[in-house]
Amino acid sequence: DSGVTQTPKHLITATGQRVTLRCSPRSGDLSVYWYQQSLDQGLQFLIHYYNGEERAKGNILERFSAQQFPDLHSELNLSSLELGDSALYFCASSPSSGPTGELFFGEGSRLTVL
Amino acid sequence: AQTVTQSQPEMSVQEAETVTLSCTYDTSESDYYLFWYKQPPSRQMILVIRQEAYKQQNATENRFSVNFQKAAKSFSLKISDSQLGDAAMYFCAYRSSLWSNSGYALNFGKGTSLLVTP
Repeated sequence: DSGVTQTPKHLITATGQRVTLRCSPRSGDLSVYWYQQSLDQGLQFLIHYYNGEERAKGNILERFSAQQFPDLHSELNLSSLELGDSALYFCASSPSSGPTGELFFGEGSRLTVL
Repeated sequence: AQTVTQSQPEMSVQEAETVTLSCTYDTSESDYYLFWYKQPPSRQMILVIRQEAYKQQNATENRFSVNFQKAAKSFSLKISDSQLGDAAMYFCAYRSSLWSNSGYALNFGKGTSLLVTP
């Protein structure tokens, strides 16, 4: 158990809908990273938050957004969903914002768009 | 962005034998970090081993060791005395020590599926 909690574990929804994925980092970790894992694209970095502030963006679509709250949990919002958004979404937490802090991954949220 | 290549989509090993998973990367940087992650069917990403580029000594964690060839930009993972529980997807990842648009995010390869047979 990494100490990172993601909910929901599974989610099935329809095209055009909006969903919110939640991540609770390990106690004391200030950094949260979001990744998307799909069969064709592999593991793609989406966005990084540190202590409530956005620090870096990767291949995140404009239809997607995220935030980190004062209690350090983070939410990834996916809107106007398309079939291609079906994927496993991971969050990972780290104690630091720098390159040396280890990333601890949650079990992921499996999103299926029908 | 740095490219991480895992040229073996699938590998198979017998229990108790040794297997080596390959990884190459492309970078112009001299200081960086390399990782191997394991993703079992439970799908959680688990850190297996990490290597700092400035360290010449190859990292070792119990049955897992790496062969880090900096000049060749190669970072292979050797699993000794393979066990059934080692069956999983293995991902090689690169992390820069320099800030970029993607911050200090991990950059993953496509993965190698390891099958362990009794």
